[in-house]
Order: sequence, then structure tokens, then C-alpha cells
Amino acid sequence: EVQLLESGGGLVQPGGSLRLSCTGSGFTFSSYAVSWVRQGPGKGLEWVSGISGSGGSKYYGDSVKGRFTISRDNSKNTLYLQMNSLRAEDMAIYYCARVIATGGGYYLDYWGQGTLVTVSS
Amino acid sequence: DIQMTQSPSSVSASVGDRVTITCRASQGISSWLAWYQQKPGKAPNFLMYAASSLQSGVPSRFSGSGSGTVFTLTVSSLQPEDSATYFCQQANTFPGTFGGGTKVEIK
Repeated sequence: EVQLLESGGGLVQPGGSLRLSCTGSGFTFSSYAVSWVRQGPGKGLEWVSGISGSGGSKYYGDSVKGRFTISRDNSKNTLYLQMNSLRAEDMAIYYCARVIATGGGYYLDYWGQGTLVTVSS
Repeated sequence: DIQMTQSPSSVSASVGDRVTITCRASQGISSWLAWYQQKPGKAPNFLMYAASSLQSGVPSRFSGSGSGTVFTLTVSSLQPEDSATYFCQQANTFPGTFGGGTKVEIK
């Protein structure tokens, strides 16, 4: 069974940093790109960042570019999101999701349960 | 960036009703569109890909259509467990942007 489990969320002050982790199981982790998607309180889904299976290609949304860094350790089946210079608008549930490429499109077929990041003084 | 717009933002219907949600892309995305279902307090669930292909395990009352810039998700006979928010996502580019969501409520 494919599973993704996020951790690392919590309360942080504006301007602070936090590192999220996502551990995958039930599939060959290194064979898949993975993404971070967030959802602010009462809001829709916003794609944050993505990384290829090898880690060689990384992508960021405009709202986090230059502040967030995505990485992965395939030996530990773990995805990371280093978040620096956090702002109130970064407060959200952060989900990791597995990316599948099928027929030319890129889809998020499995999602973790999410981890809550609260940015407040 | 490709913008995705969903309508309506919410819909209330009775059990057994047919419900249709529309998703529009700001530019053509061929058939590279996904639909996700999200229930309160839960992660999104992958429903459909390539605009009309059901993910394994998704009930056949769900169907999708469209290509280019206009897409629809239809629930042919609404069931109580279908009460959720539905999001479209363009899958033409990695990563794909999401629509704003449509909340489906049961009367």
C-alpha cells in the first residue's frame, strides 16, 4: 500500500524557519517525482514545489521561490521542504503527493495526511 | 501561468440528482486535466485523469469530459458520500495549477 507521511509542522514566528519531511512507503520512492501542495485555512489548493525522482530537477511556485528549498534523500525514502523567511500567508496545511506521469500529463495520485504550519507571533 | 477557473463555487443538490461542475483553463491544455475530491479534514483524493479516465476504485457515477479549455465533471446520481469539495488541476505542465474548488452539498 502506497503511503506518504508528513511531519515537521508547527508554530513558527514570522521570519522564522521550519523543515518539513515526508516519508514514502509501499513504492519505489526514487522512481517518482513528488510535490508539496498547501492549503491555507478555508482556501483552495496551491502547488508549492516539486522534485524529480533523482532530485536533479526542482520546481517552485512564484510565492515561495527564493525562500523554500525542496530536496530528497532516496536512501531514506524521504522528501524535505526547508522553509525560510516564513510569512503569515505561508500558514497552511502542507501535503506531500506522489506525481505520476501518464499519457503526457502529470497527476498527483497519492497524498499524505498533511502537516499544519502556523505562522504567528 | 495557466489559470484554472471552476464554476459554480458551490452547489446544493438532492440525493439522486445529476450534478455538473465546469472547469475552464486560460489556455488550451489538450486533455491534460485531473479532478480531485476532498472531504472535510482529509487530504484530496485523486478521482480522474486525462479529463475522462477514472482512477481505479472511483464509482462509475463519476464522469468527465472536455478538451482544450473547457472541462466538466459530472456525478450522474448524487450520493450522500459525494458531499465534498472538488478541484480541477491542469496537468499540461509540471507542476499543474488548481482551480478554486466547487463545494457540493446534499440538500
